[in-house]
Amino acid sequence: DTGVSQDPRHKITKRGQNVTFRCDPISEHNRLYWYRQTLGQGPEFLTYFQNEAQLEKSRLLSDRFSAERPKGSFSTLEIQRTEQGDSAMYLCASSLDPTGAYGYTFGSGTRLTVV
Amino acid sequence: AQKITQTQPGMFVQEKEAVTLDCTYDTSDPSYGLFWYKQPSSGEMIFLIYQGSYDQQNATEGRYSLNFQKARKSANLVISASQLGDSAMYFCAMRVKAARQLTFGSGTQLTVLP
Repeated sequence: DTGVSQDPRHKITKRGQNVTFRCDPISEHNRLYWYRQTLGQGPEFLTYFQNEAQLEKSRLLSDRFSAERPKGSFSTLEIQRTEQGDSAMYLCASSLDPTGAYGYTFGSGTRLTVV
Repeated sequence: AQKITQTQPGMFVQEKEAVTLDCTYDTSDPSYGLFWYKQPSSGEMIFLIYQGSYDQQNATEGRYSLNFQKARKSANLVISASQLGDSAMYFCAMRVKAARQLTFGSGTQLTVLP
């Protein structure tokens, strides 16, 4: 297992279009997180899954955002009717240890540009 | 609410010298963990080191050590013998026991000079 994979690495879309990102966590990790990172800032939490259950959503996750993790494996993050303010790096992370003491493993992210 | 403050937007260090990156945190939860991550220009967040709030000793991982001062609510990262490959963005983060997610600071851009 080579770590957390995210696809695509880059996405350019026109305002108003829908986009979907995929995250494949480390296979034995049951916890999966989505973060958003804008230029010059630290990542901000969006949502959290334990297995297939979405247990927490940030207020940053507007109604245009939806995330799924069917069967507790890979996860998808969809943004509907994209806006220019959605331009950011979307990072996925996974962990096994509930305390995170052994670190959350992040993917390389999907960079979204809305034009 | 939890907050992480990194007051150094950018730092420069000469190759082979040590550098300290500052991090202060704020939480009312007595049980928490502190993390440092490195983010190169490729974008991936690389886990460096972890310190638990009840850990008696400062954490160390190779050239990385965490200077944990609980009373001051600071968790500074010390990188010894800097290398050119250490040039990257460094983020301090915290997770309290009551929460599932990490809260990040705004980061410090470290540049190692040859």
